[in-house]
Amino acid sequence: EAGVAQSPRYKIIEKRQSVAFWCNPISGHATLYWYQQILGQGPKLLIQFQNNGVVDDSQLPKDRFSAERLKGVDSTLKIQPAKLEDSAVYLCASSEPQGGGGNTIYFGEGSWLTVV
Amino acid sequence: LAKTTQPISMDSYEGQEVNITCSHNNIATNDYITWYQQFPSQGPRFIIQGYKTKVTNEVASLFIPADRKSSTLSLPRVSLSDTAVYYCLVGAGRGSNDYKLSFGAGTTVTVRA
Repeated sequence: EAGVAQSPRYKIIEKRQSVAFWCNPISGHATLYWYQQILGQGPKLLIQFQNNGVVDDSQLPKDRFSAERLKGVDSTLKIQPAKLEDSAVYLCASSEPQGGGGNTIYFGEGSWLTVV
Repeated sequence: LAKTTQPISMDSYEGQEVNITCSHNNIATNDYITWYQQFPSQGPRFIIQGYKTKVTNEVASLFIPADRKSSTLSLPRVSLSDTAVYYCLVGAGRGSNDYKLSFGAGTTVTVRA
């Protein structure tokens, strides 16, 4: 079974520039997540989609971050304009409820962003 | 979301058993307990999940007491490749569509030769 795919793997941009990350979840997974992980910290949930609807975006800095999941499959996370503190790994994950039990979330390898 | 507390770091040697205890005093009735492992430069990887008592798979065992206010991840006979950060999380399960996971700082396990 193919895992969660993310691209690009690495990106270096200057502050005030824009960047976009792409995610393709595991086939059939209705729920998609974007997490931000700053070096030395645990991942922080930015936004959660259920199909193509937003379930939770309470921690998404909406003045500069945006995300969409058209057609309920692939998703794009955009940052514009980027700040130095946005340097982090952006992790995409997907999940599907397990029959009779808890959900399991599967993560991609992450997209590493460095803002200089 | 239930908050979790786990040790910041643990050291061990190859061949030993490593036990990481996580506290989650305000766990909800429908919350599951899930453990993830993360290596540098990789996304977190699911290790094990449980609701109560004991769960065992090919990688680890998870012990959950009756009150479910804590859980212990047990890694048998660790090797150098088990050096990683281990996260304990609790969240709604049982097929819930509103399933979120909140990560803490995790426990950095270092295995030495």
